[in-house]
Amino acid sequence: AQSVTQLDSHVSVSEGTPVLLRCNYSSSYSPSLFWYVQHPNKGLQLLLKYTSAATLVKGINGFEAEFKKSETSFHLTKPSAHMSDAAEYFCVVSPMNRDDKIIFGKGTRLHILP
Amino acid sequence: DGGITQSPKYLFRKEGQNVTLSCEQNLNHDAMYWYRQDPGQGLRLIYYSQIVNDFQKGDIAEGYSVSREKKESFPLTVTSAQKNPTAFYLCASRDVVVGNTIYFGEGSWLTVV
Repeated sequence: AQSVTQLDSHVSVSEGTPVLLRCNYSSSYSPSLFWYVQHPNKGLQLLLKYTSAATLVKGINGFEAEFKKSETSFHLTKPSAHMSDAAEYFCVVSPMNRDDKIIFGKGTRLHILP
Repeated sequence: DGGITQSPKYLFRKEGQNVTLSCEQNLNHDAMYWYRQDPGQGLRLIYYSQIVNDFQKGDIAEGYSVSREKKESFPLTVTSAQKNPTAFYLCASRDVVVGNTIYFGEGSWLTVV
């Protein structure tokens, strides 16, 4: 069975400091892993995706994530937070088998302090 | 531009009334999904469809119905049997051919009045 755990429901950082949003996954095979961002009253926007190519994935708005198979982790990072980064972030496992369900983490709310 | 269009953005439902949320995609994706999101909550799967003329119940299908008569369209009807329909509804499609990426619409707010 597949699962996704986002380890923090809320993260607060000061503007200009690094961001770390943690995600652990469980899968019986190499999954496709994604990070999405959701601003209030909006749909989910793709930040980046891992699909078994490079383990360090660069996304939009300066975000990146590293796939670590040994730790079953796919943490999202950004070197310097901006006020516009305040949003909800979701870690997602999209199965290779089209009949399996997409698995969403419960989300991490990122707060940016001035 | 390719994408997913949800309408309306805001909808009000009276007690005992059925309402339908529209979802249209021009991405040529076979797989489409409806999710419900309550404030401060994650996404819960209502219905999904892997191919035209076929759909499956998700985790919270009671009080909802769908159809998939065309590849591009996957409307969701919120029936009067759904006792607590006030929520944010998200439609999505998945590219199962290349990259497995999921694409989302902008969402629809449904409020009971």
